[in-house]
Parts: sequence; structure tokens; C-alpha cells
Amino acid sequence: DAGVTQSPTHLIKTRGQQVTLRCSPKSGHDTVSWYQQALGQGPQFIFQYYEEEERQRGNFPDRFSGHQFPNYSSELNVNALLLGDSALYLCASSLRSGYGNTIYFGEGSWLTVV
Amino acid sequence: AQTVTQSQPEMSVQEAETVTLSCTYDTSESNYYLFWYKQPPSRQMILVIRQEAYKQQNATENRFSVNFQKAAKSFSLKISDSQLGDTAMYFCAFIQTQGGSEKLVFGKGTKLTVNP
Repeated sequence: DAGVTQSPTHLIKTRGQQVTLRCSPKSGHDTVSWYQQALGQGPQFIFQYYEEEERQRGNFPDRFSGHQFPNYSSELNVNALLLGDSALYLCASSLRSGYGNTIYFGEGSWLTVV
Repeated sequence: AQTVTQSQPEMSVQEAETVTLSCTYDTSESNYYLFWYKQPPSRQMILVIRQEAYKQQNATENRFSVNFQKAAKSFSLKISDSQLGDTAMYFCAFIQTQGGSEKLVFGKGTKLTVNP
């Protein structure tokens, strides 16, 4: 049973560029959420996708956008990168039905903006 | 605001001993779920234990147990017989619902070091 998989593992971008991160949810899961974890901090919720629509959004600017595909996989896009966007980006998946279902995380994508 | 507070930025314990990590939270929801996640140097967030707020019995998973005090909004994690592999960041979190969707709200974490 494949868990949550993310790609790429590490990447370095220049300020002002755009980046796309990818996530495949755990088998059987239909909901994908993205979190940003700055160094030394807990993860912060960016947004959640279900049925290919953004269902909830955290306090992040419009430079952060996403997409969910029919196979439930998801992408996180960040435009006009800032140095402060350097962080670990975690993808999490869960099953929509039923409150409190366990949320599983991928290994994350390390983004460094220089 | 719904928040999670972990008041111990760092802790250390000797191998085979017991350690307790503290967590308090603030939520206006009447039913909710609480979690402890472990994040080793590999950075993958691993679920350690979960507690349903409407259950009075404290959750237990092998060497890990919680002390859930709903009225005090306290949710501490006890690790018994600590092992070197327990060295990691530990995050306390609860599920916050909005418009039918859920998100995890995390504390800032406690860095636990198990010494040989």
C-alpha cells in the first residue's frame, strides 16, 4: 500500500521564479491538503482539495495556488517566489467521509529560494 | 483563535526512562480530535497517537500514552522506556473544521533527544 508520495524531494529556485510541487495521496484517499513548515516551526495549513475544488484555505497569498486531478493527485504552485517561501512543503491525504479520519503525510519537498 | 501551545521547546531523557511532553490547546468546538505527530530528521510526519475528545479513556499505543484533560484543555504525551529512535520533533495538533472540511492546527513542537 503506497503512502503519500511527493516530488521533487529538494529543489532550489531563484527569487521571482515559479515552482510546482506534486503529490500523490495514499491509496484510497480522496482529499489532499498542503502545509508549509518553516525551519523550527510547526506546519501551517495552506489549502485543501476535494473533488478537484479548493475547500478551505489558510492565511496564504494568492501566489499560492493548487489543483487536484481526477485521480486525486495534486499540485501546489507558487508564483513570484520570495526568500521567505523557503520551507518544507508537506502534502497530507485523508478520506473525506467521516470526521477525524487519520491524516497521513508525505516526506515533503524542500524548497530553497535564493 | 484556535491554537496549540507546546511550552517545552526542547527536552532530553536517558534511554529506558520515561518522559512527558506537554500540550495545551484552545478550541471552541465541542467534539474534536487530538494528535501527536513525530517528525524525525528524515522530516516525514508520522502519527504517534490520536485521541477523540468525547472519549474519556486516554489513548495508548504501545510505549506511548496520553493524559487527556478535557476541562483543562490539556493533552500531554508520555513515552515510556524511551529508545534512541524516539529522538525527533514532536508536534501536538488538533483538527479544526470549517465548511465541512478539516485541517490540522499544530503547535511549534518539542525537540526530544534520547541519550544513551
